Amino acid sequence: EAGVAQSPRYKIIEKRQSVAFWCNPISGHATLYWYQQILGQGPKLLIQFQNNGVVDDSQLPKDRFSAERLKGVDSTLKIQPAKLEDSAVYLCASSSRPRLSQFFGPGTRLTVL
Amino acid sequence: TQLLEQSPQFLSIQEGENLTVYCNSSSVFSSLQWYRQEPGEGPVLLVTVVTGGEVKKLKRLTFQFGDARKDSSLHITAAQPGDTGLYLCAGGRGETSGSRLTFGEGTQLTVNP
Repeated sequence: EAGVAQSPRYKIIEKRQSVAFWCNPISGHATLYWYQQILGQGPKLLIQFQNNGVVDDSQLPKDRFSAERLKGVDSTLKIQPAKLEDSAVYLCASSSRPRLSQFFGPGTRLTVL
Repeated sequence: TQLLEQSPQFLSIQEGENLTVYCNSSSVFSSLQWYRQEPGEGPVLLVTVVTGGEVKKLKRLTFQFGDARKDSSLHITAAQPGDTGLYLCAGGRGETSGSRLTFGEGTQLTVNP
């Protein structure tokens, strides 16, 4: 079974630029999560989707971050414009149903200069 | 905000030693998970505990959930270099709130040969 796929693996941009990350969850997993993990900290949930609907986006900085999962499969997370403090690893995870085990992708390491 | 505090933050030991990592909170969680994360990878689930007082063993790893479901510990017997990694605990909220996980800051374990 293929795991959670993410791309790109690394991205370096300058502040005020835009960036997008892509995630393809495990086939059949209805629940998809985006996390932000700042160096030295644990992951923090940004947004949770159930199929193509948003379940929880209370910790998403909506003035600059957006995410979509239009067909209930893969998802895109966008930052526009980026700030220095957005430098982090962005992790995507999926589970077959809420409250079941989450499987994480390898993450995208973003550096904002 | 439900906070999970992990201790110690850093631990460096010799191969063959035993160690315990702690995860504490002032809040009650419906479940608690332990993950291990290696550099450049996403967290990998090790175990989920849901019952107060529950003890689970996974080879040389023993996980315990506190009676009040506010704390947990991970004990590793005869540590090996392959155990090196970032150990994260994550608390899950109740059914009606979905499956948001609150992660601790992690314990960075290094096992020297």
